[in-house]
Amino acid sequence: AQSVTQLDSQVPVFEEAPVELRCNYSSSVSVYLFWYVQYPNQGLQLLLKYLSGSTLVKGINGFEAEFNKSQTSFHLRKPSVHISDTAEYFCAVSDLRGSQGNLIFGKGTKLSVKP
Amino acid sequence: SQTIHQWPATLVQPVGSPLSLECTVEGTSNPNLYWYRQAAGRGLQLLFYSVGIGQISSEVPQNLSASRPQDRQFILSSKKLLLSDSGFYLCAWGGVAYEQYFGPGTRLTVT
Repeated sequence: AQSVTQLDSQVPVFEEAPVELRCNYSSSVSVYLFWYVQYPNQGLQLLLKYLSGSTLVKGINGFEAEFNKSQTSFHLRKPSVHISDTAEYFCAVSDLRGSQGNLIFGKGTKLSVKP
Repeated sequence: SQTIHQWPATLVQPVGSPLSLECTVEGTSNPNLYWYRQAAGRGLQLLFYSVGIGQISSEVPQNLSASRPQDRQFILSSKKLLLSDSGFYLCAWGGVAYEQYFGPGTRLTVT
């Protein structure tokens, strides 16, 4: 069965510092991978996605992620964070059990950017 | 462009009362539709998904139900709410490559 593990439930960081949010997945087949951001009391917003091709994917708000097949990882990075990046981030993998387009989500990582 | 709406935005209901949450999508046809719940301190739980009108699949047993009376309308219902039904309910529609696009959510508090 497929699963997604976000290794850190909370990540505190100072403004303008770099950040990496870790995501590992397990799957016996090829997958699509996604990162979402959720600001308080809002829905989830798609940050970026990996479907195929280049393993380095660039998304909105200056975020990028690198797909590493051998390590089954899809870590999210940003070289310099802002206060406004404070939010919860979810990693997700495509559920290939059927054709319904379902996603399997990690439990989320709360990023807290401090001045 | 596609837009997804949810209402109401917030709702406070007593235990045992009925529930109806509505989700509508604009700008796309025959989308896959999803209902999720986020409870405090927990991740996203998929409740229902639908691949077409009248086609509903349930992921977890509970006292909730879903219906899809029109192509771009998805409704979440309950006949009698429980305290454990409190949470943040999110509707989403599916794109062509498994990505999902979420609505703004409904905050439900059962008292």
